[in-house]
Amino acid sequence: ETGVTQSPTHLIKTRGQQVTLRCSSQSGHNTVSWYQQALGQGPQFIFQYYREEENGRGNFPPRFSGLQFPNYSSELNVNALELDDSALYLCASSSDRGSLSPLHFGNGTRLTVT
Amino acid sequence: AQKITQTQPGMFVQEKEAVTLDCTYDTSDPSYGLFWYKQPSSGEMIFLIYQGSYDQQNATEGRYSLNFQKARKSANLVISASQLGDSAMYFCAMRELVRSNDYKLSFGAGTTVTVRA
Repeated sequence: ETGVTQSPTHLIKTRGQQVTLRCSSQSGHNTVSWYQQALGQGPQFIFQYYREEENGRGNFPPRFSGLQFPNYSSELNVNALELDDSALYLCASSSDRGSLSPLHFGNGTRLTVT
Repeated sequence: AQKITQTQPGMFVQEKEAVTLDCTYDTSDPSYGLFWYKQPSSGEMIFLIYQGSYDQQNATEGRYSLNFQKARKSANLVISASQLGDSAMYFCAMRELVRSNDYKLSFGAGTTVTVRA
């Protein structure tokens, strides 16, 4: 069974640039969600995708957007990067949006904005 | 408003002893799920245990057990027979079905556990 994989593992960007982070869900999982974790804090929910549609969103501005593909992999796009966007970005997958099933996380992408 | 509260920023525990990590939550939804995750210094988020709001029995997974007190909105994690490898940050989280097509997941601020030999 293949787990959740994220790429890249580390990324350095300049303020104002755009970034795309990628996530492959665990095999058999059709729901993907994204989280931002600032240093020393708990993860904050960004949004969730099920069957290529967003079905839940946290308190993040529209410059945070996403996609889910037919193979259930996903992308997180952040436009107009700000210094405060520096964080660990975690992707998680689960097997069924209709149940309260546990999420399985990837190892994250560490984004640094300078 | 804070959805998940973890009041212990850090705890020390002696190897082979048990430790209880506190978690209280706030929701008006009758259907929700509570989770505990472990995050070592490497950054990966490891799922430990799950409790559904309608589950009658407290969840257990190996050395992990969840003390679920629904009326108090409390979901404390108990780690028995602590091992050095248990040293990590522990997060309590709640997944809520807000409406038919909208889920939200809230994490607490976390508790750092350090196991001493």
